[in-house]
Amino acid sequence: GAGVSQSPRYKVAKRGQDVALRCDPISGHVSLFWYQQALGQGPEFLTYFQNEAQLDKSGLPSDRFFAERPEGSVSTLKIQRTQQEDSAVYLCASSLFQGPRWEQYFGPGTRLTVT
Amino acid sequence: AQTVTQSQPEMSVQEAETVTLSCTYDTSENNYYLFWYKQPPSRQMILVIRQEAYKQQNATENRFSVNFQKAAKSFSLKISDSQLGDTAMYFCAFRMDSSYKLIFGSGTRLLVRP
Repeated sequence: GAGVSQSPRYKVAKRGQDVALRCDPISGHVSLFWYQQALGQGPEFLTYFQNEAQLDKSGLPSDRFFAERPEGSVSTLKIQRTQQEDSAVYLCASSLFQGPRWEQYFGPGTRLTVT
Repeated sequence: AQTVTQSQPEMSVQEAETVTLSCTYDTSENNYYLFWYKQPPSRQMILVIRQEAYKQQNATENRFSVNFQKAAKSFSLKISDSQLGDTAMYFCAFRMDSSYKLIFGSGTRLLVRP
């Protein structure tokens, strides 16, 4: 079956622009995660959804970052007034359920470059 | 807070040889899971192997095996019979039993030479 997909794969934004990054999880997966991966670093947790409920947004770096999953499937990560430090790869992952026994499947990521 | 440390930024191995990637972690928890993920240049992260902390037996998956030393908080990955397709970034990750967050190390770039 299809894996996790993300779009766009690459996004260049001028500083101050708003961007929206999309994640299509594996069909039927309840849990959805967003991670931020800076150049040369490991991914860092941003936020977690269980169905449409955002249960944890403790990793969002500022109030310019906003995520939603209104129907419990597709999710969008929005970044307002982008800054250079927002340049990173944004990874989405989904798992069938929440527990640690359930593998998180990752998408290919969106590389955001803020100029 | 939990931390994961990978002290080898880059490693290189000859095709068909064996290589070991190191990982240490810090936690006060007793129940947790450890993972090795592979991230090829295409960037899709793939789970290679996982280890439950309550299991003393080291996990193995074909050519991949781990050396889990709970007391030392060490979790190394051994790749046997290295193949060109093993060239990738490898990330060690930690997850508490009570949590959903994966905490990653900074990664080791592995190059398999023909």
